[in-house]
Amino acid sequence: DQQVKQNSPSLSVQEGRISILNCDYTNSMFDYFLWYKKYPAEGPTFLISISSIKDKNEDGRFTVFLNKSAKHLSLHIVPSQPGDSAVYFCAASGPGGGSNYKLTFGKGTLLTVNP
Amino acid sequence: DAGVIQSPRHEVTEMGQEVTLRCKPISGHDYLFWYRQTMMRGLELLIYFNNNVPIDDSGMPEDRFSAKMPNASFSTLKIQPSEPRDSAVYFCSWGRSYNEQFFGPGTRLTVL
Repeated sequence: DQQVKQNSPSLSVQEGRISILNCDYTNSMFDYFLWYKKYPAEGPTFLISISSIKDKNEDGRFTVFLNKSAKHLSLHIVPSQPGDSAVYFCAASGPGGGSNYKLTFGKGTLLTVNP
Repeated sequence: DAGVIQSPRHEVTEMGQEVTLRCKPISGHDYLFWYRQTMMRGLELLIYFNNNVPIDDSGMPEDRFSAKMPNASFSTLKIQPSEPRDSAVYFCSWGRSYNEQFFGPGTRLTVL
């Protein structure tokens, strides 16, 4: 039973264009969401997060959008750069307003940014 | 550098053998986590500790898996006996604030 779903195993975009990675969740008790990036042979690294009390959080080229009614979040990267090529994991936690450390991850989406 | 050392980085063993994976996080953390990554199931939480005490081991697949944290800077994940379906990348991570975890580089385990 996958509570966090990333339905696109891979995504390919051109350098300079927007990358949109999607994530759906089923557990309405989740109240904190995170995106992690993973390069080959390395562990995942934290990228950006959002609390359920917000619908948008922006950090430089990265923006996460949350649609609670649809139980859907997305990560936008603009402009995309070749160095962004990696596997992106969506993760959720809760209840606890982020103080619940237990994260549930999706299976990941491999993003390839072509020069 | 996430401040987590995992060893070994690669392990190849035969079915039935005991496997011990090690994690050394930097000191001063409150939480330590063990995850397993496979193609089929993605990144799964196996167990996590708070102040060296196991809090939730509901993700541990079977009794063949066990984890310990004898002190704040060392943890082990043991599989005995190992099976081919245990082949995966195993990650250790630590957390101090509520919104981030810092992952080690992982141990790639292959059970033949």
